[in-house]
Amino acid sequence: GDSVTQMEGPVTLSEEAFLTINCTYTATGYPSLFWYVQYPGEGLQLLLKATKADDKGSNKGFEATYRKETTSFHLEKGSVQVSDSAVYFCALSDRMDSSYKLIFGSGTRLLVRP
Amino acid sequence: GAVVSQHPSWVICKSGTSVKIECRSLDFQATTMFWYRQFPKQSLMLMATSNEGSKATYEQGVEKDKFLINHASLTLSTLTVTSAHPEDSSFYICSPLVFRVSGGLSYNEQFFGPGTRLTVL
Repeated sequence: GDSVTQMEGPVTLSEEAFLTINCTYTATGYPSLFWYVQYPGEGLQLLLKATKADDKGSNKGFEATYRKETTSFHLEKGSVQVSDSAVYFCALSDRMDSSYKLIFGSGTRLLVRP
Repeated sequence: GAVVSQHPSWVICKSGTSVKIECRSLDFQATTMFWYRQFPKQSLMLMATSNEGSKATYEQGVEKDKFLINHASLTLSTLTVTSAHPEDSSFYICSPLVFRVSGGLSYNEQFFGPGTRLTVL
């Protein structure tokens, strides 16, 4: 079945450092790919998404490019802030699946220190 | 974005009791609701999918008689953990699916509640 694998955390960075969180996927259909962020004490929020190969999703300085050839959707940010500290989830949804289910990776905790 | 509330945000109960978790869509209507559970440092696992006015569809391995889901209206869904045991202790999250139309295009967007932490003693 479909699955998502993302790097284990926690990832600890200093403020203004470059961030990469790796995400790879396995899907039999034509997935849409997502990054969700969960701030402490809050629900998951959609950070960005891409619906087809070579699409780039971006939001709040974060970017991720849908790479079909490497089945990857790595999250990047050029300069992280303390406020970016959160748990990040990579997810996919098979567009051929009418149930709209999201399949999540295990999450990566990011801690940004001043 | 859409506002989703869950109540209670946390609950502690004795083994053998039942606990009801409410999920409300505050400024939109959702015909489909997903319920997830999340174990510490693990991903969200889909438990069931419910459509307003019909029975929920449970994922493999999830006991439908233990986790009762009611989606009686477009703004309220409930999850009842019956005869709870310590192994049911987890973080439960509701997620409504909203149908949207923008710029002539239609699409579905999924939102998430803040979660309910259940601890069964």
